[in-house]
Amino acid sequence: NAGVTQTPKFQVLKTGQSMTLQCAQDMNHNSMYWYRQDPGMGLRLIYYSASEGTTDKGEVPNGYNVSRLNKREFSLRLESAAPSQTSVYFCASSESPTGTYNSPLHFGNGTRLTVT
Amino acid sequence: AQSVSQHNHHVILSEAASLELGCNYSYGGTVNLFWYVQYPGQHLQLLLKYFSGDPLVKGIKGFEAEFIKSKFSFNLRKPSVQWSDTAEYFCAVTLRNQGGKLIFGQGTELSVKP
Repeated sequence: NAGVTQTPKFQVLKTGQSMTLQCAQDMNHNSMYWYRQDPGMGLRLIYYSASEGTTDKGEVPNGYNVSRLNKREFSLRLESAAPSQTSVYFCASSESPTGTYNSPLHFGNGTRLTVT
Repeated sequence: AQSVSQHNHHVILSEAASLELGCNYSYGGTVNLFWYVQYPGQHLQLLLKYFSGDPLVKGIKGFEAEFIKSKFSFNLRKPSVQWSDTAEYFCAVTLRNQGGKLIFGQGTELSVKP
């Protein structure tokens, strides 16, 4: 069972470059999320998609855009990368929005992004 | 602003010692509460959750947490830790019926000495 798959696993960008992080889940989940993890700051929600066709801002959306391409896929785009976006990015999914019972998040293995 | 605070950034224990990790939140409404664990080199996994009912919830691997509404707290406990419990632990909160925004605390790194 693949679960949540993120690509790439590692990426190095120069300041100003753009890239898209890909995420796909095969659990037929309705909700998907993008988090970034930084030392001492835990996980911070960038964007989420409660259901196919909807996206909403999280805690730290500036500098990012997202696309819920279909029920399976949720991509995160950096239009002009900055050193402050150096981080580990996690995609996650849940059967339903996390406010409802018995719907824990399933995480991917992360993408380690370095912006020089 | 809504927030989740974990006051212990790094905890070092010997095997068989008891563990308590603090978690406090500042939400005004009814909340759902979670603890997630991230073992070295792995992604986050759900440890336990609280939605309603008995405020003492039990999770996997002998962990438990107690929801104290008056203190806005959801502390994680384990009577006797093992070396394999070495990991980073995250408390997380979401407002009930306002799905989508699961907010995490800063994390607590636990190191257990064999």
